[in-house]
Amino acid sequence: DTGVSQNPRHKITKRGQNVTFRCDPISEHNRLYWYRQTLGQGPEFLTYFQNEAQLEKSRLLSDRFSAERPKGSFSTLEIQRTEQGDSAMYLCASSSQKRTSGTDTQYFGPGTRLTVL
Amino acid sequence: SQELEQSPQSLIVQEGKNLTINCTSSKTLYGLYWYKQKYGEGLIFLMMLQKGGEEKSHEKITAKLDEKKQQSSLHITASQPSHAGIYLCGAVFTSGTYKYIFGTGTRLKVLA
Repeated sequence: DTGVSQNPRHKITKRGQNVTFRCDPISEHNRLYWYRQTLGQGPEFLTYFQNEAQLEKSRLLSDRFSAERPKGSFSTLEIQRTEQGDSAMYLCASSSQKRTSGTDTQYFGPGTRLTVL
Repeated sequence: SQELEQSPQSLIVQEGKNLTINCTSSKTLYGLYWYKQKYGEGLIFLMMLQKGGEEKSHEKITAKLDEKKQQSSLHITASQPSHAGIYLCGAVFTSGTYKYIFGTGTRLKVLA
């Protein structure tokens, strides 16, 4: 098991451009999460998938953000018309639902650092 | 997040010294996770605590969850430069919750 992977690791873009990030979770993990982390802060929840279904989106996720997990495996996070305030580290995590209740341990990828000029 | 307060915000210790990081919540925690993050990288899972009074250890790192399940501490014994990084506590407040609430982190530097 190679862990959660994210691509690209770094992205520099100009304001107004669209960007897309990819996350490959640990194989057979059915849950996938996106978080955003700005300098000096802890990660903030953005959205969550169980298999291919997107079950919750944070208010932080504006209309310019869209996430997909088409086959219940990898996921993409797209930001349209990027703004300087979108500059952050975007973290992906995955977990395996082993119980009907309780919480799962989330395993994080290395993140994609976005810089919007 | 204001739901979870970490202290101290930063810490510089001499190699070999012990240290403690605290994570405090105003609400009862269902689960508490400790992660370590190297600067500019992802989070590495350290430990998960769920039961009041629970204590877990991994190598030189010990984490405890108090009986009231509102505070956790992370203790490093005989710190090494490899312990340097950002320590984050992440919490879940109810059963079945899937999103973590994170503290702002504690930045640890260990001087050789």
